[in-house]
Amino acid sequence: AQSVTQLDSQVPVFEEAPVELRCNYSSSVSVYLFWYVQYPNQGLQLLLKYLSGSTLVKGINGFEAEFNKSQTSFHLRKPSVHISDTAEYFCACSGNTPLVFGKGTRLSVIA
Amino acid sequence: GAVVSQHPSWVICKSGTSVKIECRSLDFQATTMFWYRQFPKQSLMLMATSNEGSKATYEQGVEKDKFLINHASLTLSTLTVTSAHPEDSSFYICSARGGTGVETQYFGPGTRLLVL
Repeated sequence: AQSVTQLDSQVPVFEEAPVELRCNYSSSVSVYLFWYVQYPNQGLQLLLKYLSGSTLVKGINGFEAEFNKSQTSFHLRKPSVHISDTAEYFCACSGNTPLVFGKGTRLSVIA
Repeated sequence: GAVVSQHPSWVICKSGTSVKIECRSLDFQATTMFWYRQFPKQSLMLMATSNEGSKATYEQGVEKDKFLINHASLTLSTLTVTSAHPEDSSFYICSARGGTGVETQYFGPGTRLLVL
């Protein structure tokens, strides 16, 4: 069975500052890792995913994440955030099973 | 590519009525579809998994007779909330997996259900 822990429920950050949203996973098998973003009253949009290969993956909207197997982490980063990045971010993992989600991190970008 | 649509986006109904929500994969064949429920400020809770042509597999605690799922084709799955009650009010999101990216789930925009 897999599980995902998002360590921060809320992250406030000033506009144009860097941000890191933390995610740790637990699994007894190889996993695929994902980050999704959810804007208010909308579904989830895929930001990026790690399936295999290079541990640094780049996604949409300037986000990137690094898979660290030894630390079982998949933290999401952006070097400079915009007001429009304010949303809920979900980390998820899958071992070819339905996605298991973390509880989400609310990113609030302050002008 | 990989677009999933849901209809309707909003529905308000009286207690005791049934509501059907449609989920469609628009540009790929979804061998597997998933239905999630999300309460305010919470994460997504998986309700059931369905494979085309097969009966859905429900998660523990989800009433099969209340939440009827049909996955009749590779592009359409429906969720029917039967005899809806106010406690069924929630945000329902479908997800589809298939095509070349079989490991990736793509999500619909969600359906907000309010039962009065």
